[in-house]
Amino acid sequence: GNSVTQMEGPVTLSEEAFLTINCTYTATGYPSLFWYVQYPGEGLQLLLKATKADDKGSNKGFEATYRKETTSFHLEKGSVQVSDSAVYFCALVQQGGSEKLVFGKGMKLTVNP
Amino acid sequence: KAGVTQTPRYLIKTRGQQVTLSCSPISGHRSVSWYQQTPGQGLQFLFEYFSETQRNKGNFPGRFSGRQFSNSRSEMNVSTLELGDSALYLCASSKGTSGSLQETQYFGPGTRLLVL
Repeated sequence: GNSVTQMEGPVTLSEEAFLTINCTYTATGYPSLFWYVQYPGEGLQLLLKATKADDKGSNKGFEATYRKETTSFHLEKGSVQVSDSAVYFCALVQQGGSEKLVFGKGMKLTVNP
Repeated sequence: KAGVTQTPRYLIKTRGQQVTLSCSPISGHRSVSWYQQTPGQGLQFLFEYFSETQRNKGNFPGRFSGRQFSNSRSEMNVSTLELGDSALYLCASSKGTSGSLQETQYFGPGTRLLVL
């Protein structure tokens, strides 16, 4: 079945450090890919998404590129801030037929000043 | 615009009991999805409702059921509770017009259920 594998952490970085969170997927067909973020005390919210190969999603300085050849959707940010401390989830939706949103286990990021 | 609301926020039940959780979507949203979040299994999709009909379903036993009302509000019911049902239950809504879960999902704060 469809699955998402991501770095689980937890990860602690200093402010202005470079961030990469790896995400790879297994799916039939051409899934849409997402990064969701859960800030402390808040619900999940969509960070960015990509719906086809080579698409790049971007938001709030974060970027991820849909790489079909490596079945990956790694999240990157050039300079993290304390406010980026949160749990990050990679997810996919397989198109067509009976759908479900499949999440990775999530990675907790803490950014220290 | 008000966000997705879930009630109650916290709940304690004992094994064998049943529980009903409620979710009010964002105004105008017609799709409501439910998820279970646990430390061991992470976030797992339960089911999605659109226009009072279950449109998509995850891999959970029949003890987990749901329904949606004409105003798009949704309830989730778990019967014969087990210890392993202790989790954060999240509800998400979307416009639903595309017919796909690819639409941006807007999540509520969740209901934390503890089964003793």
